[in-house]
Amino acid sequence: DTAVSQTPKYLVTQMGNDKSIKCEQNLGHDTMYWYKQDSKKFLKIMFSYNNKELIINETVPNRFSPKSPDKAHLNLHINSLELGDSAVYFCASSPQSGEQFFGPGTRLTVL
Amino acid sequence: GDSVTQMEGPVTLSEEAFLTINCTYTATGYPSLFWYVQYPGEGLQLLLKATKADDKGSNKGFEATYRKETTSFHLEKGSVQVSDSAVYFCALSDRGGSNYKLTFGKGTLLTVNP
Repeated sequence: DTAVSQTPKYLVTQMGNDKSIKCEQNLGHDTMYWYKQDSKKFLKIMFSYNNKELIINETVPNRFSPKSPDKAHLNLHINSLELGDSAVYFCASSPQSGEQFFGPGTRLTVL
Repeated sequence: GDSVTQMEGPVTLSEEAFLTINCTYTATGYPSLFWYVQYPGEGLQLLLKATKADDKGSNKGFEATYRKETTSFHLEKGSVQVSDSAVYFCALSDRGGSNYKLTFGKGTLLTVNP
């Protein structure tokens, strides 16, 4: 019973391509997030959704577009991939308590 | 804005040694504080948390106390094990509207040798 799941786990693609990463949580949480972890392990929030509504957008290029079809899903679509997009992307969810539960991560490599 | 500063690693210890990883924060309000752990190849797991001043979070032998006067939340463990080898992240949550945004420190890599 995975609480927060992401697919795919690994994604290797060419510059200029468009790709999506999917995230699902079965915890009944109202809020979901996307984080980017760079090669030095630094974690930075990208987006936050509450009940399918965008709440936080942390100056992420508009090539990144999150989509929340329902409360349990928050997908990340990336257009025109660049080398600098290579990173590990983590999805997370939380109740109103502030404690966030993270998915296993998606390692994106742009060649 | 909010920020978290934690000691840079890597930290290398022998099994059963005492561990301290320092963490200090800057926040405008009264944040909740967290320590997350990331084992190799895995996502982040919540290790412990504290939601108000003088609270002590503890889990798996790890402890951290929310010190408002020194704006610190140092992580300690009396006797580390090889299985504690991981990256440790200090974080704070600042409530913005109906959401809690986590701000992370840069992470500290801990390696415990047998």
